[in-house]
Amino acid sequence: DAKTTQPPSMDCAEGRAANLPCNHSTISGNEYVYWYRQIHSQGPQYIIHGLKNNETNEMASLIITEDRKSSTLILPHATLRDTAVYYCIVRGMNYGGSQGNLIFGKGTKLSVKP
Amino acid sequence: DTGVSQDPRHKITKRGQNVTFRCDPISEHNRLYWYRQTLGQGPEFLTYFQNEAQLEKSRLLSDRFSAERPKGSFSTLEIQRTEQGDSAMYLCASSLAMGERGYTFGSGTRLTVV
Repeated sequence: DAKTTQPPSMDCAEGRAANLPCNHSTISGNEYVYWYRQIHSQGPQYIIHGLKNNETNEMASLIITEDRKSSTLILPHATLRDTAVYYCIVRGMNYGGSQGNLIFGKGTKLSVKP
Repeated sequence: DTGVSQDPRHKITKRGQNVTFRCDPISEHNRLYWYRQTLGQGPEFLTYFQNEAQLEKSRLLSDRFSAERPKGSFSTLEIQRTEQGDSAMYLCASSLAMGERGYTFGSGTRLTVV
């Protein structure tokens, strides 16, 4: 079972910041938080990941709370092309076995509206 | 490198027929994964390879399913005696065995069993 909880859907106005929350209260010390998104009829796309520090790349920012029990993915200026399902996943760094595999939940369907 | 390629993109087959899908991963990636996704759900893990060795199979992978990666490069997923419940998107992904980077997914093969 997925170890994260996300709202099923969110709306965001084009040009505004989209803040997508994720709860992962049972995360363990060696597990990273990963975010992927899936645009309709395509495979999932990696966005960003982090362990305990905030991270930023060309796509998004990831804010992880100090206790690591929740995180927020921020798309600073959402566009219509950001409409997608966003998945928050916790993943261990044990590459030998299921702990290293990505386990997807249902994600958050983000709709960016003009 | 053009990313992860999957062939065909779409497949319609009659119940009881056998089907085979192909995945070509990113060339330097030694790990290859198969996922299945049904409508409204996140991708579900099926199996993964490290080089040519199949290291893990999900309980979702019934006896009718078989996956191979004979030379540690491309992989095939075969479904024998297809059933209507096999209708889904079959996704392939690849990654390096070590490192924090996530998976790169292909666009998937959509199977419809009629």
